[in-house]
Amino acid sequence: QQQVKQSPQSLIVQKGGISIINCAYENTAFDYFPWYQQFPGKGPALLIAIRPDVSEKKEGRFTISFNKSAKQFSLHIMDSQPGDSATYFCAASSRGAAGNKLTFGGGTRVLVKP
Amino acid sequence: EAQVTQNPRYLITVTGKKLTVTCSQNMNHEYMSWYRQDPGLGLRQIYYSMNVEVTDKGDVPEGYKVSRKEKRNFPLILESPSPNQTSLYFCASSLTSDYGYTFGSGTRLTVV
Repeated sequence: QQQVKQSPQSLIVQKGGISIINCAYENTAFDYFPWYQQFPGKGPALLIAIRPDVSEKKEGRFTISFNKSAKQFSLHIMDSQPGDSATYFCAASSRGAAGNKLTFGGGTRVLVKP
Repeated sequence: EAQVTQNPRYLITVTGKKLTVTCSQNMNHEYMSWYRQDPGLGLRQIYYSMNVEVTDKGDVPEGYKVSRKEKRNFPLILESPSPNQTSLYFCASSLTSDYGYTFGSGTRLTVV
């Protein structure tokens, strides 16, 4: 049972285009929603994060949109560049007995064509 | 350099032979966690910890043990590895519960 569902699994976009990745969750106890970027052979790196009391957060070319009532959130990559080619993971965090329990989506492989 | 260090990077072992994957962070982070990454399943949390001697099970703890005797170290122990534990493992640490995790470079484990 995957608590965070991510789509699409893969995405090809032209340089300068917009990449959109969607995630949906079920657990209303989630209170922190980070996105991670992973390059081949590397560990994931935090890209941007949002809390459910905010509907949108923008950092440079990356924007998270959050819809609390629909339990959905998405990542938009504006003006996509070949260097953005990576795997992106959404995640959702809830409080556990020993800190944060982090649940990841299945990942989206993004390829930006020059 | 602030980092999370895992060792080894690659490991091939046989079924049933106990192994330990070490994880150390030099950022004085309170929170540490272990994940396994499998194609199509994303990353799944194995165990997590908020301080010395405070640990809890994540989503896939079966077959794994951890210990947090020192703040900087969080080893992952496989007492009797099985082929279904073949995976890419990541250790991560975080300053607070409201902060993103910093991940190590990963350990690719193959159990034959």
